[in-house]
Amino acid sequence: SQQGEEDPQALSIQEGENATMNCSYKTSINNLQWYRQNSGRGLVHLILIRSNEREKHSGRLRVTLDTSKKSSSLLITASRAADTASYFCATVPIYNQGGKLIFGQGTELSVKP
Amino acid sequence: GAVVSQHPSWVICKSGTSVKIECRSLDFQATTMFWYRQFPKQSLMLMATSNEGSKATYEQGVEKDKFLINHASLTLSTLTVTSAHPEDSSFYICSARDLGDTEAFFGQGTRLTVV
Repeated sequence: SQQGEEDPQALSIQEGENATMNCSYKTSINNLQWYRQNSGRGLVHLILIRSNEREKHSGRLRVTLDTSKKSSSLLITASRAADTASYFCATVPIYNQGGKLIFGQGTELSVKP
Repeated sequence: GAVVSQHPSWVICKSGTSVKIECRSLDFQATTMFWYRQFPKQSLMLMATSNEGSKATYEQGVEKDKFLINHASLTLSTLTVTSAHPEDSSFYICSARDLGDTEAFFGQGTRLTVV
């Protein structure tokens, strides 16, 4: 029941550079969330953007949402080696029950020192 | 944020045996819990949604009799993989949310290896 796709699937950058990841989804949503996962670990919630919001910031993170295009982007500025992880977008479809999250395929980010 | 504790973090079992994974919300009442499965280098696939005191709702293609979910209290849900086989080897992750909350909190995951 995958909701969407993310690109790129893998991204390798140098420390200090910005990283941009994109997410597309298929159905109307209540909100979209971004998560981070270190290898073999659980997920850490990064940021939530509601369907009536267009942009949101949290520290070095900037998320945009375009509901007309059913897409979102996550920008990590001034990346650090510690940002190396997989990043997933997840949506809460507008008509689903119980607010279940549907995850995208994820982007594997590697930040080289 | 709220804490969700998942136990065990890893388990190795013999083919044909059953394995129980626990998911506890430590500082909030989890009216809804979700169970996900993740294969290496892949995304999380939702297996089922459980609400306290009622039967779990399974996603299409997930065998109810194979993956038994119990959500007997507001702080505990369990996933039992019955008669496990090597193809059940995977990373299982639970998440929990309270009624009305938009954010779900995730456990650390359980690495199951069936030999």
